Amino acid sequence: ETGVTQTPRHLVMGMTNKKSLKCEQHLGHNAMYWYKQSAKKPLELMFVYNFKEQTENNSVPSRFSPECPNSSHLFLHLHTLQPEDSALYLCASSSLRTGDNEQFFGPGTRLTVL
Amino acid sequence: QQQVKQSPQSLIVQKGGISIINCAYENTAFDYFPWYQQFPGKGPALLIAIRPDVSEKKEGRFTISFNKSAKQFSLHIMDSQPGDSATYFCAARGISGNTGKLLFGQGTTLQVKP
Repeated sequence: ETGVTQTPRHLVMGMTNKKSLKCEQHLGHNAMYWYKQSAKKPLELMFVYNFKEQTENNSVPSRFSPECPNSSHLFLHLHTLQPEDSALYLCASSSLRTGDNEQFFGPGTRLTVL
Repeated sequence: QQQVKQSPQSLIVQKGGISIINCAYENTAFDYFPWYQQFPGKGPALLIAIRPDVSEKKEGRFTISFNKSAKQFSLHIMDSQPGDSATYFCAARGISGNTGKLLFGQGTTLQVKP
């Protein structure tokens, strides 16, 4: 596997379900990000992890719970979601050690909340 | 609230034409302005980026023009091709801290007609 991978690619869940999104980066980066992408809206930054420590929580509702066990893996735990949470959830990673810190994105998880 | 405003929301160009997408920002404390390209079913990928100490950067058919005094920057795609049909996002990175946090524009959907 190369780059940034995300699983599952598609997820349909009811409002009472609990599910988790997984992201893995194979680039040796030390920062990881969760974004929400909704139609006709800018990408919304949700969380930032820097060396496994959460450095940003962009006023995200508590029904979204991130976890970063190491610098290669990032999870987003979901529970009691609302239909308006349906969106594409993108994971990204970057190296904060060098250069312009280009963010590399995964393909995303298309989430539908019924 | 800091914003990056992007226009137009959608753009249709004939093959061989020039595609122009504009962005404006409201905060002077940005030090890096990337453009991302996203194809359906994929995550955004870095296309080209510029720092505010230069007024123009060109890579192949893609050029960024940067006007620091006007707080505006634009992407020009010369000799547009059907394969350029995608959604384009401008972004800006804040100077403060080292989180690599990007603020994205709303996106422009480009269609290049054969």
